[in-house]
Amino acid sequence: AQKITQTQPGMFVQEKEAVTLDCTYDTSDPSYGLFWYKQPSSGEMIFLIYQGSYDQQNATEGRYSLNFQKARKSANLVISASQLGDSAMYFCAMRLLSGSARQLTFGSGTQLTVLP
Amino acid sequence: GAGVSQSPRYKVAKRGQDVALRCDPISGHVSLFWYQQALGQGPEFLTYFQNEAQLDKSGLPSDRFFAERPEGSVSTLKIQRTQQEDSAVYLCAAAVAEVTEAFFGQGTRLTVV
Repeated sequence: AQKITQTQPGMFVQEKEAVTLDCTYDTSDPSYGLFWYKQPSSGEMIFLIYQGSYDQQNATEGRYSLNFQKARKSANLVISASQLGDSAMYFCAMRLLSGSARQLTFGSGTQLTVLP
Repeated sequence: GAGVSQSPRYKVAKRGQDVALRCDPISGHVSLFWYQQALGQGPEFLTYFQNEAQLDKSGLPSDRFFAERPEGSVSTLKIQRTQQEDSAVYLCAAAVAEVTEAFFGQGTRLTVV
């Protein structure tokens, strides 16, 4: 079974600073995808970034980058130049890309607060 | 979330009451997922459809939970004889294909009193 671990229940960052949100995962399957979602207080899950297990380069999307360290089974999210609107819950998730299971497995989340 | 619409946004049910939660994905999103999110937790998988076929219902917590997607578009999650532990946010997600990114709706917050 797959497992996602997010060890930081809450994080604070000063506006315009960079912040790293930690995520480790566990799977015996070699083919998987890693996702980060943002969930503001409105409740909607917003897709941020994706990394495939066979991707050679770390994924980047604007101010978001994913620090993928396959040997350590970690997929940390880096947010550069934090903005007040980045304050939200952030979830790391994984999906297997082979076999029949297609659902996302989520971690418990990290509540990020950006301070002015 | 790219047009995935869920209704109602909030539902208060008395214990023992049946409820129906609706998910209306955007056209062309053949894959549809239901998740349950307890307060302060990450979402947990309930069930998965590809078009009208329910391919995986391994996450449904009991036989009181039932989901359908009869025409491969709108889906309904039904909970019979609700109990307090059913209180959660129910999220629907849709994707163009099985392994592409999933777009989520805003969820339905169910409170059982």
